[in-house]
Amino acid sequence: DAGVIQSPRHEVTEMGQEVTLRCKPISGHNSLFWYRQTMMRGLELLIYFNNNVPIDDSGMPEDRFSAKMPNASFSTLKIQPSEPRDSAVYFCASSFRGVNTGELFFGEGSRLTVL
Amino acid sequence: AQSVSQHNHHVILSEAASLELGCNYSYGGTVNLFWYVQYPGQHLQLLLKYFSGDPLVKGIKGFEAEFIKSKFSFNLRKPSVQWSDTAEYFCAVNARSDYKLSFGAGTTVTVRA
Repeated sequence: DAGVIQSPRHEVTEMGQEVTLRCKPISGHNSLFWYRQTMMRGLELLIYFNNNVPIDDSGMPEDRFSAKMPNASFSTLKIQPSEPRDSAVYFCASSFRGVNTGELFFGEGSRLTVL
Repeated sequence: AQSVSQHNHHVILSEAASLELGCNYSYGGTVNLFWYVQYPGQHLQLLLKYFSGDPLVKGIKGFEAEFIKSKFSFNLRKPSVQWSDTAEYFCAVNARSDYKLSFGAGTTVTVRA
């Protein structure tokens, strides 16, 4: 069974450019999470979707960040315009929300470098 | 909201040594508990989890963790580490009724051959 699939694995871009990160969750999972990982701040939850609906976006840093989940098998995280401080590894994770929830399955991550 | 505290930021030990990583959480209700491992350059993978039942949980690669409810702790142990256990280890907690998984800051474990 394929795990969570993220693309691109690496992205190098210049300040001011638009960045779009993509995620395909595990089939059958109804919850999707976007995390950001940096040395300074560790793992931060950016946004959480349940059944394709954004439930909690309180972790989104600012208006430059947006996320969508148009269907159960696809989500995007967009940064426009990007800034050097956005450089990080962005992880997508999915789970099945039911009894005994919480176990997340992580993708390989998208390493973003903004010059 | 729950919070998670990991006691050690960086642990260095030799192969065959025993490992114990501390994890405490703050939440008064029923929780689910997890340990994740992140090998260098890789994504987080589940090591073990506790939902209910026997508080001593066995995971993959010889790891185990013990849930002590009275101490709000979920410490990770391995009796004899290998060089390949070099990684970052994250404790995570969520309230049974909540979706949000709270992660600790992580502990970097370096095993010297």
